Amino acid sequence: DAGVTQSPTHLIKTRGQQVTLRCSPKSGHDTVSWYQQALGQGPQFIFQYYEEEERQRGNFPDRFSGHQFPNYSSELNVNALLLGDSALYLCASSSTDLVGANEKLFFGSGTQLSVL
Amino acid sequence: DAKTTQPPSMDCAEGRAANLPCNHSTISGNEYVYWYRQIHSQGPQYIIHGLKNNETNEMASLIITEDRKSSTLILPHATLRDTAVYYCIDNYGQNFVFGPGTRLSVLP
Repeated sequence: DAGVTQSPTHLIKTRGQQVTLRCSPKSGHDTVSWYQQALGQGPQFIFQYYEEEERQRGNFPDRFSGHQFPNYSSELNVNALLLGDSALYLCASSSTDLVGANEKLFFGSGTQLSVL
Repeated sequence: DAKTTQPPSMDCAEGRAANLPCNHSTISGNEYVYWYRQIHSQGPQYIIHGLKNNETNEMASLIITEDRKSSTLILPHATLRDTAVYYCIDNYGQNFVFGPGTRLSVLP
């Protein structure tokens, strides 16, 4: 049973460019959340997708956008990259059917984005 | 902002129990207490969660006080591979809010 997979593992971009990160959720999961983790800090919630719609959003500008596909996989897009966007981007999946006693987030290993 | 507070760092001798505290001062009645850990350059890993009762699994034990305002994660026999950042989180059905966590160093 494959867990959460993310691609690519590392990426280098320059300021002003655009980037797309990809995530495949754990088998059986229908909800994907994206987090940004700066060096030395805990992960910060960007947004969550369910049924191909953005369901919740954290305090991130609209340069950050996403998409969820019918197979539940997801993309995170960041436009007009800034130096401060350099971070580890984590994808997490969960199942809406398991909210409450059985709810768990499963994380991928992340994409390390460096903006030069 | 994170709803929980944790000490920034702790040390533990290899083979001894590691007891990691967490304060949940604003936890609400239906929110569960979760613990995750993150080993360097990896995504956070689920450890354990509970509502009111103490819980145990193959990784750890979770002790929750009766008023649910604090919890303790116990790693009964810490190994060098348990060196990581440990996060405690209150949550029910919302996005998981991570604080800076506790950096646990297991020393040989």
